[in-house]
Amino acid sequence: EAQVTQNPRYLITVTGKKLTVTCSQNMNHEYMSWYRQDPGLGLRQIYYSMNVEVTDKGDVPEGYKVSRKEKRNFPLILESPSPNQTSLYFCASSSPGAENTEAFFGQGTRLTVV
Amino acid sequence: LAKTTQPISMDSYEGQEVNITCSHNNIATNDYITWYQQFPSQGPRFIIQGYKTKVTNEVASLFIPADRKSSTLSLPRVSLSDTAVYYCLVVRGSASKIIFGSGTRLSIRP
Repeated sequence: EAQVTQNPRYLITVTGKKLTVTCSQNMNHEYMSWYRQDPGLGLRQIYYSMNVEVTDKGDVPEGYKVSRKEKRNFPLILESPSPNQTSLYFCASSSPGAENTEAFFGQGTRLTVV
Repeated sequence: LAKTTQPISMDSYEGQEVNITCSHNNIATNDYITWYQQFPSQGPRFIIQGYKTKVTNEVASLFIPADRKSSTLSLPRVSLSDTAVYYCLVVRGSASKIIFGSGTRLSIRP
């Protein structure tokens, strides 16, 4: 089954404690990206990657890092989380193609930073 | 990428046809119109995509006029389970950047 898997689904952490949210896809997609969703602000892109070792900033990259060492994995790293990073996070993957730009999203990771 | 404008919310009843219109005045030649559905606390799910005229799948239809400056998502005979937020997006085929707007919150009543 085609899917994007995020872990963990829920996470409560303390300010400043480094954490990593993992994302893995089994569709051999080139493109992967991370979004955060906040009430009233919608879905905003944090980082995206067009292929292995190629990453770029989205609209709200501050406080986040990513890496793309393998095609299937795209972890999101918060080196020093702060309360304003409390949010619902989604990972997505897609394949470049003019006629089909369908993106597949993970189940989400609800992060609380206290 | 072209900005999209759609109603903030809509209400309807079970069994009715629902049409959600989206405007994208600055759409470019190589842009596609795509709709996603999102349930609370779940990731968005692709519904349908089109370039021009009409596209239909098992879930919905998408109508796009010749000037492509707007599009209409049509959901036939909605049920309570269609209550969700629907996003209209303009996506460039070669790009990985997908920009979500505010979406339309659709509420279906018995």
